[in-house]
Amino acid sequence: DAGVTQSPTHLIKTRGQQVTLRCSPKSGHDTVSWYQQALGQGPQFIFQYYEEEERQRGNFPDRFSGHQFPNYSSELNVNALLLGDSALYLCASSVDRSSYNEQFFGPGTRLTVL
Amino acid sequence: AQSVTQLDSQVPVFEEAPVELRCNYSSSVSVYLFWYVQYPNQGLQLLLKYLSGSTLVKGINGFEAEFNKSQTSFHLRKPSVHISDTAEYFCAVIPISGGSYIPTFGRGTSLIVHP
Repeated sequence: DAGVTQSPTHLIKTRGQQVTLRCSPKSGHDTVSWYQQALGQGPQFIFQYYEEEERQRGNFPDRFSGHQFPNYSSELNVNALLLGDSALYLCASSVDRSSYNEQFFGPGTRLTVL
Repeated sequence: AQSVTQLDSQVPVFEEAPVELRCNYSSSVSVYLFWYVQYPNQGLQLLLKYLSGSTLVKGINGFEAEFNKSQTSFHLRKPSVHISDTAEYFCAVIPISGGSYIPTFGRGTSLIVHP
């Protein structure tokens, strides 16, 4: 079992550009959540996808959008990048939407915005 | 809304010594509580969680935590640390009621184990 995988590992973009990050959940998991972890901070919840729909959303602007595919993999899109978007983006998967079920995290994608 | 405060940003300790990482939370509703560990260049791994029942929770790698409702705390402890425990530790809460399962994480505590 490969666990949660994310691609790419690192990414460098310039302000104003758009970026797409990808996540494949752990086998058997149907729910994917995305987090932003700024340097020296804890993860902040962006949104959660289940059955190809956004089910919950944290306090992030509409520039952050996502998608879930029928195979449960997911993408995170960020438009009009700002310097402050530089962070580690973590994907987590779980067997369902329940809050108390263990989330398995991927290694993250390090995004640098110049 | 919930908030999580990890009282120490960094905790240095010698190998085989005991350690306590402190976590306090604030919430208007009941919450589930979690501790995660993050090793360098890796994602987060669940150490332990408190959902209900006994307030003393045992997790992986010899860690345990105690839920104190009156003090709204969920401190993490280990009686004897190893060099390999050097990592970032995060406390998190998730509200139980209201239909919103949005987790709130603390800023993390860096545990540094010296030989």
